[in-house]
Amino acid sequence: SSELTQDPSVSVALGQTVRITCQGDSLRSYYASWYQQKPGQAPVLVIYGKNKRPSGIPDRFSGSSSGNTASLTITGAQAEDEADYYCHSRDSSGNHLVFGGGTKLTVL
Amino acid sequence: QVQLQESGPGLVKPSETLSLTCTVSSGSISSYYWSWIRQPPGKGLEWIGYIYYSGSTNYNPSLKSRVTISVDTSKIRFSLRLSSVTAADTAVYYCARTSREWATIAGYYYYMDLWGKGTTVTVSS
Repeated sequence: SSELTQDPSVSVALGQTVRITCQGDSLRSYYASWYQQKPGQAPVLVIYGKNKRPSGIPDRFSGSSSGNTASLTITGAQAEDEADYYCHSRDSSGNHLVFGGGTKLTVL
Repeated sequence: QVQLQESGPGLVKPSETLSLTCTVSSGSISSYYWSWIRQPPGKGLEWIGYIYYSGSTNYNPSLKSRVTISVDTSKIRFSLRLSSVTAADTAVYYCARTSREWATIAGYYYYMDLWGKGTTVTVSS
C-alpha cells in the first residue's frame, strides 16, 4: 500500500464541484502535485506547489492542503475531466518520492 | 518544444535485465531531475527513481537493489536498467522530466512536468 492514500473512486454531476483528496504524513511537510491520466495516455501534471497550474490547464482545477491532507478541486466539472487522478509527493522519510494509489473520477 | 521518447525492447525474459532509454529532444538535460515511473496493467503509478543531470541518483527503496539509472548528457538521454526481472515487472514504463522547487514553509518539493508517451514492457519466456 502507498504512503499516500486516495479514495479509489469519486463521482460528480456535470457542472458541479468535486474534491479529490490525498492523505499522508509527509503532506504535513511537503507539497503534493497532481496528475490527470486518461485511458491509454501518459499522465499530465495539473497542479503543483501551493496551488500552481501549468500552462494550458484550465482554472477550474485548483489545489489546497491542510494538515496531512492535500486536495484537488475541480469547480464545474466537465465531461473531459473524467479520468484517473494521482497525487505525488515526498515520502514520510523525505528521502524518496511516492505516488498515491489514484482516484477514478466519473462525471455523471 | 521539448519532448521525451522512451525506447527499448518490449519483451524481456524472466531473470534477465530490462534496459530502456529516454531521449530528450529539442531541449537541455541540464538543471533538471529525470525520473522513471512505471504502471502495471490496471494498476497505479510507481516511482522507480531519478537522476540529476550531474549524475546523482535516488531510487525507490523497494527496487533499489535491482535498479540503475544513468545519464548521457552529450547525447541528451538517460537510461534505466532493472535486473532480475519477473512477471511483476511487466508494466508501461514512463520517463519524465522532474523539477524541484523551494517553498519557504514546505521545503523542497518535486513535480513531473513533462512525460514521455510510455513504452510497454512484458516479462515472459
